Amino acid sequence: GAVVSQHPSRVICKSGTSVKIECRSLDFQATTMFWYRQFPKQSLMLMATSNEGSKATYEQGVEKDKFLINHASLTLSTLTVTSAHPEDSSFYICSALNPYSGGTDTQYFGPGTRLTVL
Amino acid sequence: RKEVEQDPGPFNVPEGATVAFNCTYSNSASQSFFWYRQDCRKEPKLLMSVYSSGNEDGRFTAQLNRASQYISLLIRDSKLSDSATYLCVVNFPDSGGSNYKLTFGKGTLLTVNP
Repeated sequence: GAVVSQHPSRVICKSGTSVKIECRSLDFQATTMFWYRQFPKQSLMLMATSNEGSKATYEQGVEKDKFLINHASLTLSTLTVTSAHPEDSSFYICSALNPYSGGTDTQYFGPGTRLTVL
Repeated sequence: RKEVEQDPGPFNVPEGATVAFNCTYSNSASQSFFWYRQDCRKEPKLLMSVYSSGNEDGRFTAQLNRASQYISLLIRDSKLSDSATYLCVVNFPDSGGSNYKLTFGKGTLLTVNP
C-alpha cells in the first residue's frame, strides 16, 4: 500500500519559535496533500489543501500567514507553524492523495506529528 | 445538524460480541463514504470504503443508505485487537461543488474486553 511519512514525530518547543513539519509520499507521487489538526478527544479538522506547484487552499478560520505550506515537489509538502503558541499544541497529520489507487479519492495518512508548545 | 455525526460511545463489549456503529451525514451531494480506525495517539487508517450496495470484508460489514443519509459498520466476532476509535468519514463537495474534501466524525471508541 501507499506509504506516507512525517517528520518529526514529536516536537516540543518554546513559545514564539517556528516549527517545520515535513510530509513525504514514499512510493507514489502526490499532486495533492492535505494537512489536518486534531485536538484531544476531537475529530480531525482539515486545515488546508496543498497542491504541488501552486498556493495552498486554506479552510475558513485557518491563518495562512501562521501556517505556511509549501508543496515544492510531487513527494514533499511542508507545514511551518510560525511563532507557535501553547494553543497551537496539537496532533498535526498530513495525508496524500494517490491518483493511482483504485478509488479516485483515497487519502493515505502520515503517522502524525505531536506538537507541544511550552 | 453536524456534518458527520456518530454514536458518542464509548462501547465496551466482550470478545466475540457483535457491535454496530451508526453515522449520519448532512450533505446529500456526498459521493464517497469510509470507515477509518484510529488507535490511541496514531494516525487514522482506512478500514473500508462504503458502497451503496453494501460491502463486506471478513468480519466487517458496511452499509450505506443514501435516502436516509446513514452509514453503518458492523463488526462480528469482535477481537481484542479491534479496540480503537472508529471514524465515519464522508467526502463533501466544497461550496463550488467541484472539489471534495474528507469530513471526519468525532469517532466512537470501542473497547473489546477479554
